[in-house]
Amino acid sequence: KAGVTQTPRYLIKTRGQQVTLSCSPISGHRSVSWYQQTPGQGLQFLFEYFSETQRNKGNFPGRFSGRQFSNSRSEMNVSTLELGDSALYLCASSLAALNTGELFFGEGSRLTVL
Amino acid sequence: AQTVTQSQPEMSVQEAETVTLSCTYDTSENNYYLFWYKQPPSRQMILVIRQEAYKQQNATENRFSVNFQKAAKSFSLKISDSQLGDTAMYFCAFTPYQGAQKLVFGQGTRLTINP
Repeated sequence: KAGVTQTPRYLIKTRGQQVTLSCSPISGHRSVSWYQQTPGQGLQFLFEYFSETQRNKGNFPGRFSGRQFSNSRSEMNVSTLELGDSALYLCASSLAALNTGELFFGEGSRLTVL
Repeated sequence: AQTVTQSQPEMSVQEAETVTLSCTYDTSENNYYLFWYKQPPSRQMILVIRQEAYKQQNATENRFSVNFQKAAKSFSLKISDSQLGDTAMYFCAFTPYQGAQKLVFGQGTRLTINP
């Protein structure tokens, strides 16, 4: 069974641009969550989707948004990029509808903002 | 607010030694899960071990075991007979029973196993 796939793996953007990251969960997994990982702030929760509905959102500005499609694939978008948005963005999927915390992570998308 | 604290930014031990990583957390919840996740240099995070707060028995997974002290809000990870492949960042994480899948992570401990 294929793991969580994130694309692109690496990307470079300039301030003010926008970016869209994609995540394909493990087949059968309906929960997809996103985390931002930086050296200074560590791992921070962005949002979580289940059956195309956003169930929870972290403390990030409105420039960060996401969505989930009927096939459980998810995208996250960051508009008006800032230097501080440079990070590794991790997607994780889970089988259960209930909160178990057992997440399967992708390898991440490394975003660099210049 | 729920917080997770890992007080050891870096640790280094020799292969085959035993090492213990520390983690403390703060929550007003009574029912929750605690985890240790491992992030090897290739960056894909994987679950090492899980503990449910209502279970008094400490979880074990092969060479990995935890010492869960609910009253002290402490959750340490012991790695026995450490191997070179154990070299990674280790994150302690917390989530309450209820609600959406949302993990609160500690800052991580960078563990290096030396040959």
